[in-house]
Amino acid sequence: EPEVTQTPSHQVTQMGQEVILRCVPISNHLYFYWYRQILGQKVEFLVSFYNNEISEKSEIFDDQFSVERPDGSNFTLKIRSTKLEDSAMYFCASKESPVLDTQYFGPGTRLTVL
Amino acid sequence: SQQGEEDPQALSIQEGENATMNCSYKTSINNLQWYRQNSGRGLVHLILIRSNEREKHSGRLRVTLDTSKKSSSLLITASRAADTASYFCATARYSGGGADGLTFGKGTHLIIQP
Repeated sequence: EPEVTQTPSHQVTQMGQEVILRCVPISNHLYFYWYRQILGQKVEFLVSFYNNEISEKSEIFDDQFSVERPDGSNFTLKIRSTKLEDSAMYFCASKESPVLDTQYFGPGTRLTVL
Repeated sequence: SQQGEEDPQALSIQEGENATMNCSYKTSINNLQWYRQNSGRGLVHLILIRSNEREKHSGRLRVTLDTSKKSSSLLITASRAADTASYFCATARYSGGGADGLTFGKGTHLIIQP
């Protein structure tokens, strides 16, 4: 069964460094998402992406964040200058169409900022 | 405002018993989805119910939706030890664009005692 994959599974970085989290959505899906989950807290929406542009973003998704679909398969989340409070699990998700609403999530990347 | 709040926050039952979790939300929705998360792992989609549906079944899962009360319930029948996990409801608004991010609740942590 097709699934969303994410790399790396765990990333450790120093405060102020840039990180890029990578996702490969399900191949025929058109809508892509990033969410984060700070330890012990609820999953929070960051951004949605469709037709090579951002569709919607939350207030969390400030200028430090950016997303890109550099080729036909990858979807990336970049954090320019990481802060301690960026430490969280980051989930990528994808959805097939505007009619089929189920979002399928990847296993997540645990980001630890020291 | 808080969206997608589950209760109880934690539930411990004996294997074989039924588990019921509730979710409340505040704004109008297009659909409501339930996800399961095993400790430290990714989100697994369980079931989606649309705003014009009242009840849906999938295997041992039964979901109800009451849009007048802005609430949903997830029933797991004949629980198994493998059902031990956190369960989240997530709501999607309808904006016409199809790319809406999900709003998650804090989740119910379900423990099935063998």
